[in-house]
Amino acid sequence: EAQVTQNPRYLITVTGKKLTVTCSQNMNHEYMSWYRQDPGLGLRQIYYSMNVEVTDKGDVPEGYKVSRKEKRNFPLILESPSPNQTSLYFCASSFVPSGSSYEQYFGPGTRLTVT
Amino acid sequence: GQQVMQIPQYQHVQEGEDFTTYCNSSTTLSNIQWYKQRPGGHPVFLIQLVKSGEVKKQKRLTFQFGEAKKNSSLHITATQTTDVGTYFCAGPLYNFNKFYFGSGTKLNVKP
Repeated sequence: EAQVTQNPRYLITVTGKKLTVTCSQNMNHEYMSWYRQDPGLGLRQIYYSMNVEVTDKGDVPEGYKVSRKEKRNFPLILESPSPNQTSLYFCASSFVPSGSSYEQYFGPGTRLTVT
Repeated sequence: GQQVMQIPQYQHVQEGEDFTTYCNSSTTLSNIQWYKQRPGGHPVFLIQLVKSGEVKKQKRLTFQFGEAKKNSSLHITATQTTDVGTYFCAGPLYNFNKFYFGSGTKLNVKP
């Protein structure tokens, strides 16, 4: 089954404790992206990756890191989480045809609480 | 700041009534996508519009892309309880890589 998986689905942590949220897709998509969703703000892009070893900042990258060592995986790293990073996080992936964009497939989401 | 705005933020309708959500961008979009997110779920792709003035239909849903490619709308005819959810527009602004989502319109349908 074609899908995007995220782990963990729920996480409660304390300020300053480094954490990683994993994301994996089995559709051989080049494009992967991380979003955070907060009430009234919709989804805001944190980082995206066009392919292996190619990553770039989205709209709200501060406090986050990513890596793309393999095509299928795109982990999100919070080196020193703070309470303002409490949010619902979604990973997404899509193909990247030339000259256009394509529908994004979203993972189930990770609800993070930083106390 | 927010590049893509959506209105209204909330809409409560009686089953059978129509519903429309509007999406406006401060700059030209190369294309626009619409997604639906059910309560507790993740966004699911509905459609993509690419051409200026394009109109597409999916059963009771009608999508429009403005002539200037800065605005779009989603219209649902005769809503059903299965239409409940939050509808988002999204589009890449300057290239096809960085995406901006609207703030979403949450639709509630009373049976």
